[in-house]
Amino acid sequence: GNSVTQMEGPVTLSEEAFLTINCTYTATGYPSLFWYVQYPGEGLQLLLKATKADDKGSNKGFEATYRKETTSFHLEKGSVQVSDSAVYFCALIGTGGFKTIFGAGTRLFVKA
Amino acid sequence: DGGITQSPKYLFRKEGQNVTLSCEQNLNHDAMYWYRQDPGQGLRLIYYSQIVNDFQKGDIAEGYSVSREKKESFPLTVTSAQKNPTAFYLCASSIAPNSNQPQHFGDGTRLSIL
Repeated sequence: GNSVTQMEGPVTLSEEAFLTINCTYTATGYPSLFWYVQYPGEGLQLLLKATKADDKGSNKGFEATYRKETTSFHLEKGSVQVSDSAVYFCALIGTGGFKTIFGAGTRLFVKA
Repeated sequence: DGGITQSPKYLFRKEGQNVTLSCEQNLNHDAMYWYRQDPGQGLRLIYYSQIVNDFQKGDIAEGYSVSREKKESFPLTVTSAQKNPTAFYLCASSIAPNSNQPQHFGDGTRLSIL
């Protein structure tokens, strides 16, 4: 079945550092890929998405590129801020499906 | 503003008691979902509904029940059969079944045992 694997956290960075959170997936066909963010005590919010190979999703300085050849969708940001501290979830919807498969989440701490 | 409203934000359950978590959406979405989130863990799907008066079990449905009498509403009942109900519960919705559209989430209900 479909699955998502993302790097374990927590990830701790200093402000203005470069961020990478790795995400790889297993799915047949061409799934749609998503990154969600969850701030403390809140629900998840969509951060960005990509629906076909080589698409780049971007939002609020975050980017991720849909790599079919490596089945990856790594999240990057060039310069993190304290306000980026949150839990980040990689997710997919398989071809022809609608149920979302979530990764386990990666907690990010950014120190001032 | 359209969105998903979950209530209450905090809920306490006594032994042997059933409790119901409310979820209402005004996004005109067909599909709705309930997830359970335990500390430091990802989301596990409890139940989902693709259309009014229809719903399916997710991965951890035992001890839970739902109804979908209106498009806007998808309440979750945590029954006394659920022996470990302490968790953060998230409701979500998406535009339509069999689509690749993202889910929209409420702000969650935190359930604890008294």
